[in-house]
Amino acid sequence: SAVISQKPSRDICQRGTSLTIQCQVDSQVTMMFWYRQQPGQSLTLIATANQGSEATYESGFVIDKFPISRPNLTFSTLTVSNMSPEDSSIYLCSVGRPPNYGYTFGSGTRLTVV
Amino acid sequence: DQQVKQNSPSLSVQEGRISILNCDYTNSMFDYFLWYKKYPAEGPTFLISISSIKDKNEDGRFTVFLNKSAKHLSLHIVPSQPGDSAVYFCAASGGAAGNKLTFGGGTRVLVKP
Repeated sequence: SAVISQKPSRDICQRGTSLTIQCQVDSQVTMMFWYRQQPGQSLTLIATANQGSEATYESGFVIDKFPISRPNLTFSTLTVSNMSPEDSSIYLCSVGRPPNYGYTFGSGTRLTVV
Repeated sequence: DQQVKQNSPSLSVQEGRISILNCDYTNSMFDYFLWYKKYPAEGPTFLISISSIKDKNEDGRFTVFLNKSAKHLSLHIVPSQPGDSAVYFCAASGGAAGNKLTFGGGTRVLVKP
């Protein structure tokens, strides 16, 4: 399965600022996703990162708040913009070779907004 | 509306005994189901999956059972080991969601030595 390097692993940020999270995969993958896990909650899909085109966002998530880049088949970034304490969560990237090979997740970025 | 539910937030089991984790879903169009294990400060790791055309899939100590009529799946871990202590998520894909995963809320398992 693919190996994912996600950076940073954690950060503490001031409200009103932005943080960009990077996801690097060791092989080319078609499907790349970004998830959020709020404290005590399950994983919620933010968007699908599409190579060469705009990301596809899930209900409740918008591009202005979570801009995503996917310049090639091995790399993507998620930016959390104009942060508030409600954005404190773990953010995870994931790549998939469905259905039989499941999805691989990065180790996550634990974000705390103060 | 939560389409995938894990009604037991936690489970405690003695080492060597069986752990049974349950998951219910409401979307009859889901056709692929997966279980993930998550340790603190790590991303979820894939454990085992099952297609809707099967009712059982086994991999070592892990077996997943699917009851489509009841829209219910379960994960059995036998024998349970202390290293199995983690949060377990079930997930589903298919139908209008396509390949995107919908996760349950997770069950925290504690295996006591």
